[in-house]
Amino acid sequence: RKEVEQDPGPFNVPEGATVAFNCTYSNSASQSFFWYRQDCRKEPKLLMSVYSSGNEDGRFTAQLNRASQYISLLIRDSKLSDSATYLCVVNSNAGNMLTFGGGTRLMVKP
Amino acid sequence: DAGITQSPRHKVTETGTPVTLRCHQTENHRYMYWYRQDPGHGLRLIHYSYGVKDTDKGEVSDGYSVSRSKTEDFLLTLESATSSQTSVYFCAISESGLGGGYEQYFGPGTRLTVT
Repeated sequence: RKEVEQDPGPFNVPEGATVAFNCTYSNSASQSFFWYRQDCRKEPKLLMSVYSSGNEDGRFTAQLNRASQYISLLIRDSKLSDSATYLCVVNSNAGNMLTFGGGTRLMVKP
Repeated sequence: DAGITQSPRHKVTETGTPVTLRCHQTENHRYMYWYRQDPGHGLRLIHYSYGVKDTDKGEVSDGYSVSRSKTEDFLLTLESATSSQTSVYFCAISESGLGGGYEQYFGPGTRLTVT
């Protein structure tokens, strides 16, 4: 089983739609969680950290469920510019390294 | 954007030749990392550094070596390149150990093709 698993998609949604991605992780001792965004042929960029209480940044909401070991990302009112691959990231067993999920591809259509 | 540059940005080399990739940061961050990204595998850690001359192996370190003689520079060397090392290589930096929850910031990447 992979340490961090994501549905690779693609998720094809119309502009204005709400879309949600889930990610599961295997290490129950993980403490740090992030969502990164990666555009085609570009580097990953931090989208947001994920806190235990959940957090929101504009149209983006991240939530953490420690009991079930999953993280979610909700995007409201999707824009064409949201089209990208979204990477779920968790700190690893070693505590000082990050493990990346394979990414979920989102395509927002006009 | 974090001040991270990678050089070269693109390189084509032949099997068996040595290759060195450079990562340079202007943020004075303590931690630096080298990853490779391949279809079907996502980002995988090759080596990382937690200070000048302090390095450790990651998940896929075989065939790679690193050096860090200055805070701002982290070099990745393929001693004898193989076709399996064709990939996109990303450097990343972090202000602190990730046990404290500090995020990483990535350079623009180097596309390496080994023929």
